[in-house]
Amino acid sequence: KAGVTQTPRYLIKTRGQQVTLSCSPISGHRSVSWYQQTPGQGLQFLFEYFSETQRNKGNFPGRFSGRQFSNSRSEMNVSTLELGDSALYLCASSLGDASSYEQYFGPGTRLTVT
Amino acid sequence: AQSVTQLGSHVSVSEGALVLLRCNYSSSVPPYLFWYVQYPNQGLQLLLKYTSAATLVKGINGFEAEFKKSETSFHLTKPSAHMSDAAEYFCAVSDGGGATNKLIFGTGTLLAVQP
Repeated sequence: KAGVTQTPRYLIKTRGQQVTLSCSPISGHRSVSWYQQTPGQGLQFLFEYFSETQRNKGNFPGRFSGRQFSNSRSEMNVSTLELGDSALYLCASSLGDASSYEQYFGPGTRLTVT
Repeated sequence: AQSVTQLGSHVSVSEGALVLLRCNYSSSVPPYLFWYVQYPNQGLQLLLKYTSAATLVKGINGFEAEFKKSETSFHLTKPSAHMSDAAEYFCAVSDGGGATNKLIFGTGTLLAVQP
């Protein structure tokens, strides 16, 4: 079974630009969560989508948004990029129901804002 | 609110020695606990999970963890370290038990294995 895939793997953007990251979950998984990983703040939860609906949201500004499509693929968007948005963005997929709590992570997208 | 604390941001062991990585949790409800490993420039790989079944949980690569409610701990151990175990390890608690999959992570422990 194919794992979680994220594209692109690396991105370099300039302050003020916007960026869209993509995540394809494991086949059959309906939940997709996004996390930001930085040396200073560690791993922080951004949001979770389940069956195309945002089910939970972390404490990030509105510049961070996401969506999920009917095939469970998810995108996250960051508008008006700031230097502090430089991070590894990780996507995780899971079945999303009470029968299974494991989340499986993709390799991440390394975003550098200059 | 749930939280996890990992004691020791850096741990160094000799090859063949016992690995012990510490994790304490805080939860108002029975927790679901996880250990993940991250190799350089990679995502997180699930090592093992505790979901209220057996308190001693066995995972991949010879790792295991014991859930101790009285100590609110979920320490990760491996009897004999291998060079390939060098990585960063994260303890996490699930914040929702099915209603949401949000994970709250500890700050991580970087494990070095000396030859």
